[in-house]
Amino acid sequence: GAVVSQHPSRVICKSGTSVKIECRSLDFQATTMFWYRQFPKQSLMLMATSNEGSKATYEQGVEKDKFLINHASLTLSTLTVTSAHPEDSSFYICSALKAGGSNEKLFFGSGTQLSVL
Amino acid sequence: KQEVTQIPAALSVPEGENLVLNCSFTDSAIYNLQWFRQDPGKGLTSLLLIQSSQREQTSGRLNASLDKSSGRSTLYIAASQPGDSATYLCVVDQGGKLIFGQGTELSVKP
Repeated sequence: GAVVSQHPSRVICKSGTSVKIECRSLDFQATTMFWYRQFPKQSLMLMATSNEGSKATYEQGVEKDKFLINHASLTLSTLTVTSAHPEDSSFYICSALKAGGSNEKLFFGSGTQLSVL
Repeated sequence: KQEVTQIPAALSVPEGENLVLNCSFTDSAIYNLQWFRQDPGKGLTSLLLIQSSQREQTSGRLNASLDKSSGRSTLYIAASQPGDSATYLCVVDQGGKLIFGQGTELSVKP
């Protein structure tokens, strides 16, 4: 079946540094990828929709200058948390949309646990 | 605005019991509905996907139903096992935008 690889799975960084998270669709091309964030005991929340070759669409309340998204190829999207602060500590997860008409389906990465000290 | 609610928030059952997880949504204009499993600190595993034109889907011990008109979906787990312990998420797709429920945390005791 389709696989989405997300890396790294866990990262600990100092406040003020930037962290890049990669999301790759390994065996299919994904024109659209999504980035989510989940705080403890809360729902997954959509942060942004990443479209290959164009600017990402951010959800209300998500700072586009802080969460940089690049979708330069059909198999790779990256999320960069710039100047990370402790309040950015969260579980980040990506998903990739495998097109297929009525069989269109989302596949999820395994997530990245970010801890900012 | 679409809202997805899952009841109960947490559930603890002895091994072997059949159980039902509930999901309700406020806007019936959905593309599809999925049930996912989330293990602590890990990503999501898709369990069942029900298209808006379908009424139910089955996979092994799992059966999911969808009633769009009433805005409800249920996930039925037969003969529960300790390995079923996880958080179960109901997710509604409104044409590319996913709305997540807060999940039901299931614990199956041996």
